[in-house]
Amino acid sequence: DSGVTQTPKHLITATGQRVTLRCSPRSGDLSVYWYQQSLDQGLQFLIHYYNGEERAKGNILERFSAQQFPDLHSELNLSSLELGDSALYFCASSVEASSRGEQYFGPGTRLTVT
Amino acid sequence: AQKITQTQPGMFVQEKEAVTLDCTYDTSDPSYGLFWYKQPSSGEMIFLIYQGSYDQQNATEGRYSLNFQKARKSANLVISASQLGDSAMYFCAMAPKTSYDKVIFGPGTSLSVIP
Repeated sequence: DSGVTQTPKHLITATGQRVTLRCSPRSGDLSVYWYQQSLDQGLQFLIHYYNGEERAKGNILERFSAQQFPDLHSELNLSSLELGDSALYFCASSVEASSRGEQYFGPGTRLTVT
Repeated sequence: AQKITQTQPGMFVQEKEAVTLDCTYDTSDPSYGLFWYKQPSSGEMIFLIYQGSYDQQNATEGRYSLNFQKARKSANLVISASQLGDSAMYFCAMAPKTSYDKVIFGPGTSLSVIP
């Protein structure tokens, strides 16, 4: 158990809908990262938040947005969903004091768009 | 541009034997970190080992060791005394040391441990 929690574990929804994925980082970690893992694209970095502020953006679509709240939990919002958005979405957190930069991943949310 | 290559889509190893999973990378950053993650069939990503580009010694973490050859830009993962629980996907990853959020992952290698 990495200490990172994600809810829900599974989500099935229809095209055009909007969903929110939730993540709580490990206690003491200030950084939250979101990733998308699909069979054709592999594991892709979406966005990084540090202590409530956006730090970096990766291959995140404009239909997707995220935020990190004062209690450090984060939400990833996916809107106007398309079939291609079906994937495993991971949240990860990291220890800022670590010089290694390793990330600890949550169990993921499996999104199925029908 | 940064790139990670894992040329072995699937590997098999006998239980208790050692296995090497290959990873080559390309980067123009002078200082970077290399990581290996394990993804069992249950789906979670588990951090295994880290190697800094300027570390003098190859990293080891229990049964995992990293065979780092900087000149060849390779960072192979060696798993000793394989166990059935080692069956999983293994991902090599890299990030510039100045910006660990710019991590990129390789396509992964599927390892199956045979009893």
